[in-house]
Amino acid sequence: TQLLEQSPQFLSIQEGENLTVYCNSSSVFSSLQWYRQEPGEGPVLLVTVVTGGEVKKLKRLTFQFGDARKDSSLHITAAQTGDTGLYLCAGGLVYNQGGKLIFGQGTELSVKP
Amino acid sequence: DTGVSQDPRHKITKRGQNVTFRCDPISEHNRLYWYRQTLGQGPEFLTYFQNEAQLEKSRLLSDRFSAERPKGSFSTLEIQRTEQGDSAMYLCASSLAGGPYNIQYFGAGTRLSVL
Repeated sequence: TQLLEQSPQFLSIQEGENLTVYCNSSSVFSSLQWYRQEPGEGPVLLVTVVTGGEVKKLKRLTFQFGDARKDSSLHITAAQTGDTGLYLCAGGLVYNQGGKLIFGQGTELSVKP
Repeated sequence: DTGVSQDPRHKITKRGQNVTFRCDPISEHNRLYWYRQTLGQGPEFLTYFQNEAQLEKSRLLSDRFSAERPKGSFSTLEIQRTEQGDSAMYLCASSLAGGPYNIQYFGAGTRLSVL
């Protein structure tokens, strides 16, 4: 059973379209991080959200943390081919702060010109 | 400013051989984590250290796996008697204890292929 469910697993869209990736859990997280990973490379941190209801923007990317700190979403506006990659959500459980991150399965995004 | 460094980047070995990977964390970070990632999946936690102490180990870490961080700086992950199922990307991450939100920074990983 996956503790952090990420959807969709695959997404193929045209340049200029909008998209949303979801990360859901029944557990409460102290924080949730979004990473982007290129093939053959390690995950690169995009953002950390820590407060329930928090919204953070990074250029065309908008991240939201659910009020109960159990879910999060990533919205990309007007996707570009450079957004192609694997997007991962990861959280630290409230009772295990400082320890492991729990990762979702990832969303493989392909943006076509 | 150097990030997390991992060596080697790629390792090809035959089944039954032993392999060792090295991770150098961000210099001021005292926590170091190892994860394993298979194709199409998110990383899975293996173990982590705070300074020299190994504080948590996953059930994924069989007795063929051992990790060390002898001086609280770099860490090594050794896999003995490798099996084909060990083929994966091994990722290292580091963070600063006392930082509020367990923000971990990852290295580029070591890709292991067991033939």
